Amino acid sequence: DQQVKQNSPSLSVQEGRISILNCDYTNSMFDYFLWYKKYPAEGPTFLISISSIKDKNEDGRFTVFLNKSAKHLSLHIVPSQPGDSAVYFCAASSFTPGRALTFGSGTRLQVQP
Amino acid sequence: DGGITQSPKYLFRKEGQNVTLSCEQNLNHDAMYWYRQDPGQGLRLIYYSQIVNDFQKGDIAEGYSVSREKKESFPLTVTSAQKNPTAFYLCASSTRGEGYTFGSGTRLTVV
Repeated sequence: DQQVKQNSPSLSVQEGRISILNCDYTNSMFDYFLWYKKYPAEGPTFLISISSIKDKNEDGRFTVFLNKSAKHLSLHIVPSQPGDSAVYFCAASSFTPGRALTFGSGTRLQVQP
Repeated sequence: DGGITQSPKYLFRKEGQNVTLSCEQNLNHDAMYWYRQDPGQGLRLIYYSQIVNDFQKGDIAEGYSVSREKKESFPLTVTSAQKNPTAFYLCASSTRGEGYTFGSGTRLTVV
């Protein structure tokens, strides 16, 4: 039973346009959400996070939106750059010591020059 | 520089052998984790440890074992009981209230 779902395995956008990556979750106990970026044969790197007390968090070109009623979050990248091409993982946790994260299956973003 | 180090980067194992993957961190993080990534799938939690000398099974612990004798180290042993061990293994650490820091991973291949 996948508690965190990324239903789009891949996404292709033109350089300069907006990239929107989506994530859905089923566990109502999740209260902290993160996005990670991953290149092949490397570990994921943290991108941006949001806690359940907010509905939006912004960091430069990256914005995460959280819709708690729909159990849905999205990552917006504006403007998209070729260097953004990677696999993006959504992750979630509930407030437990150690905060073991539950990850989605990832979305491969390709930004075309 | 603080960070988390996984070794080796590539590992080959014969069927029936146990192998141990190393994970060391100098971030003074309390919690450490092991995840497995298979092609087209997300990261699945194998084991995690919140403090020294304590660890919990994740979603796919069967065929794996861990130890946490030191805060800095969280080695993962892939035993012969793991039927499909070929995968990319990721170690991570965290401290309360923060996200994970990941290592660069170990690719294990059964030959």
